[in-house]
Amino acid sequence: QVQLQEAGPGLVKPSQTLSLTCTVSGGSISSGSHYWSWIRQPAGKGLEWVGRIYPSGNTKYNPSLKSRVTVSLDTSKNQFSLKLSSVTAADTAVYYCAREGDILGAAPYFDYWGQGTLVTVSS
Amino acid sequence: SSELTQDPAVSVALGQTVRITCQGDSLRTYFATWYQQKPGQAPVLVFYGKNNRPSGIPDRFSGSTSGNTASLTITGAQAEDEADYYCNSRDTSGYHHVVFGGGTNLTVL
Repeated sequence: QVQLQEAGPGLVKPSQTLSLTCTVSGGSISSGSHYWSWIRQPAGKGLEWVGRIYPSGNTKYNPSLKSRVTVSLDTSKNQFSLKLSSVTAADTAVYYCAREGDILGAAPYFDYWGQGTLVTVSS
Repeated sequence: SSELTQDPAVSVALGQTVRITCQGDSLRTYFATWYQQKPGQAPVLVFYGKNNRPSGIPDRFSGSTSGNTASLTITGAQAEDEADYYCNSRDTSGYHHVVFGGGTNLTVL
């Protein structure tokens, strides 16, 4: 059974960089059949895809966040990470890491999720 | 970017059938994916692709598409189905990008 667990500071000051790590167990992040994504959800609002990293290390980001987002991979620890720079209060949200699958002719699907971690941007 | 539109709230009587819809141009090309989210919990995948239901998801959950509208149908809704439901698809301006609908809050009466 694949499990994902987010970790990182729950409070970040405005203009600083938000950093989170997702540790994956029960499966290798290096396997080629799945990708690894970050998704966030402000309180009381909907889901927003932040970005994805492929086992190759290639990345794709939400265009609205692209200039501030970096997702990276640490295969030795079976982890992937999120960095979001120049944060504001609008970046306050629950951040989820998730495993992503792909089917031809269909939308991507997120079949395993972490429990989520609340990150608050405040001075 | 591509938008996906969902009704904010839908209600259904216990044991009846309810359809939750998701509209967007990308759905003319790609089958939608559906998630269920209960308060304080991470979303759970309930249906994906043309006809795929993850292990452990009851067969009362099914998906379909017509034109630009994808639907998640719950046949014989149960009290435990009360939750928020989200769809996602690909962004029409970027194949590799993901967009989510705004979510539908389902109440089981």
